[in-house]
Amino acid sequence: DTGVSQNPRHKITKRGQNVTFRCDPISEHNRLYWYRQTLGQGPEFLTYFQNEAQLEKSRLLSDRFSAERPKGSFSTLEIQRTEQGDSAMYLCASSHPALEVRAAFFGQGTRLTVV
Amino acid sequence: GESVGLHLPTLSVQEGDNSIINCAYSNSASDYFIWYKQESGKGPQFIIDIRSNMDKRQGQRVTVLLNKTVKHLSLQIAATQPGDSAVYFCAETYDKVIFGPGTSLSVIP
Repeated sequence: DTGVSQNPRHKITKRGQNVTFRCDPISEHNRLYWYRQTLGQGPEFLTYFQNEAQLEKSRLLSDRFSAERPKGSFSTLEIQRTEQGDSAMYLCASSHPALEVRAAFFGQGTRLTVV
Repeated sequence: GESVGLHLPTLSVQEGDNSIINCAYSNSASDYFIWYKQESGKGPQFIIDIRSNMDKRQGQRVTVLLNKTVKHLSLQIAATQPGDSAVYFCAETYDKVIFGPGTSLSVIP
């Protein structure tokens, strides 16, 4: 499977715990995006990387959230001291602006439930 | 801020009919537009794209129309099938992808 891969698919955690999600993009894509989606809403942009550089962070990304892409390949999104409001689907996508199809291709997401 | 929005939050169509889903965008700098389909519990799936130098693009059973004058996109699905039932998002891209709230399409058998 050469699509975007996200792990885990589901995560249940207690309020106050830290969680980390992983995203493996499509191999030839140099851009990687993180989005958050709640029920009935469209995906909300969180941050994106071009290679290992984090180019933009949404103001939705509070200081409890951190994303890394240390080698320009896979990325991790960590949420510290989780809150119930963090419960959502976290989506990762990748793209390459020089390709014929510039669209971001998405993984299946990680569904986080904070109890 | 800049956003992409949809005119109709829900749409029900009879199987075999054509569907039209509309979208408005506000960032005049956006140069690339995408329609995604999202089924329950899954990530958005790419359907079709269009660049800002085009006004129409056709795929298999789908057509996207772009009207830059009024900043409007539409997705037309021909001969709608039950498998087309999903939420459809338009998205605009300049550097990052910005989504609208989505339209839920229900196909009545």
